[in-house]
Amino acid sequence: GQNIDQPTEMTATEGAIVQINCTYQTSGFNGLFWYQQHAGEAPTFLSYNVLDGLEEKGRFSSFLSRSKGYSYLLLKELQMKDSASYLCAVMANTGFQKLVFGTGTRLLVSP
Amino acid sequence: EPEVTQTPSHQVTQMGQEVILRCVPISNHLYFYWYRQILGQKVEFLVSFYNNEISEKSEIFDDQFSVERPDGSNFTLKIRSTKLEDSAMYFCASNGDDGNSNQPQHFGDGTRLSIL
Repeated sequence: GQNIDQPTEMTATEGAIVQINCTYQTSGFNGLFWYQQHAGEAPTFLSYNVLDGLEEKGRFSSFLSRSKGYSYLLLKELQMKDSASYLCAVMANTGFQKLVFGTGTRLLVSP
Repeated sequence: EPEVTQTPSHQVTQMGQEVILRCVPISNHLYFYWYRQILGQKVEFLVSFYNNEISEKSEIFDDQFSVERPDGSNFTLKIRSTKLEDSAMYFCASNGDDGNSNQPQHFGDGTRLSIL
């Protein structure tokens, strides 16, 4: 089966750093994606890991350990507009690359 | 930047009626997807489409659902005989501009479907 776990909710302060963890157990693995989703809007692609290690993209970084089935998204210099849900999704190797999503982590950034 | 566009943004339909949700994927993408998100729940895969045929579908995608690429730009999801539990946000996504589906999927803004 497919199982992806993330914390339900996190809070942080403007200017701080926050790490959102994701653990997964899937029948196959072809990459892990992080998306940002504001309420009522579409998921927006943030970051992508296929190999172990850290991928950095401006204020956002994502880390992957395939042996541990673990990833995290690191957000630096938090801004109020970063308040959103952050979705961890695995591209499971079950065919034509569907994404299996976690339930998402709702991040609230306060002043 | 190219975008996936979906119409309508909101569709209200009586239970039992048919509904067609429309999507225009990014023009040079080859792989197309439909996902749904029931309010407050996670995004769920429905179906993927490549080379004019369904490549994979989930258990949710039963005989009530169908997809079509009627022309070179549109990709549609049809739901026959809608049920109350079909109320959700439906997202279209696309990727694969170089024939490789191992790329980020780009999502449209979604159609909010409300069944009364």
